[in-house]
Amino acid sequence: GQQVMQIPQYQHVQEGEDFTTYCNSSTTLSNIQWYKQRPGGHPVFLIQLVKSGEVKKQKRLTFQFGEAKKNSSLHITATQTTDVGTYFCAGQDQAGTALIFGKGTTLSVSS
Amino acid sequence: NAGVMQNPRHLVRRRGQEARLRCSPMKGHSHVYWYRQLPEEGLKFMVYLQKENIIDESGMPKERFSAEFPKEGPSILRIQQVVRGDSAAYFCASSPLNRGQGSNQPQHFGDGTRLSIL
Repeated sequence: GQQVMQIPQYQHVQEGEDFTTYCNSSTTLSNIQWYKQRPGGHPVFLIQLVKSGEVKKQKRLTFQFGEAKKNSSLHITATQTTDVGTYFCAGQDQAGTALIFGKGTTLSVSS
Repeated sequence: NAGVMQNPRHLVRRRGQEARLRCSPMKGHSHVYWYRQLPEEGLKFMVYLQKENIIDESGMPKERFSAEFPKEGPSILRIQQVVRGDSAAYFCASSPLNRGQGSNQPQHFGDGTRLSIL
C-alpha cells in the first residue's frame, strides 16, 4: 500500500536557524497537504500543493512539491519559538480517497 | 465556535468495556474522517464516512471497531471489548464536499479523544 515517509523524525535548532523537513511517497501523489500539531493539540491545516514542481510561501514557510509528485519539503527560515510542534505531510494517491500521513517531524527551538 | 467538536476529551475504560467516541463535523461539512494517533507517531487513517455511508474503511481493524455517521447526530466511533493496545488519541476531521481526486479538500480536526485503557 501507499507509504509516506518523513525525515528527520526530530530536529532541534537555535532560534534564528533554518529548518527543513522532507516527505517522500512510495507512489505518485495527486496532491499533498501539510499540517502542524502543537504539543497536546490537534493537527492544523497549513497548505495544499497540487501541481508538479509547485512552490508556495507563507511568510517564513516555503513549501515545495517535487516534479514527479512523489516528494515534498517544508522549509522554515529564521525559526522562532512559536514554530515548535510536529509538522506532518499527508498525501493522497491517484486512486485513493484517504489521506496518508507521514510520521511527522518534531521541531524544537531554543532561544 | 463552529469547529469540529469531539467528546469526550478524555475517556478511561477498563479492559473488556466499550468505548464510544463522538464527533460533530464543522457546519456545512458532510465528510468525516477518523484517525488514531499513538505517542510519537503520525496519524493513522481509520475510516471515511459521509452521512449514512461508509466510503472507505480500509484502515479500520476488522474486529471490535465500527463507525457510523447517521442522518441525524454526530459520527460515532465504537470500540468493543477494549484492550490495552487501544489506548491512543483518536482524532476526527471533517471536510466539505470533495471536488474529486485531483483536489482534496483540507481537513479540519477536532481536539481529539484521549482513550486510556486500564
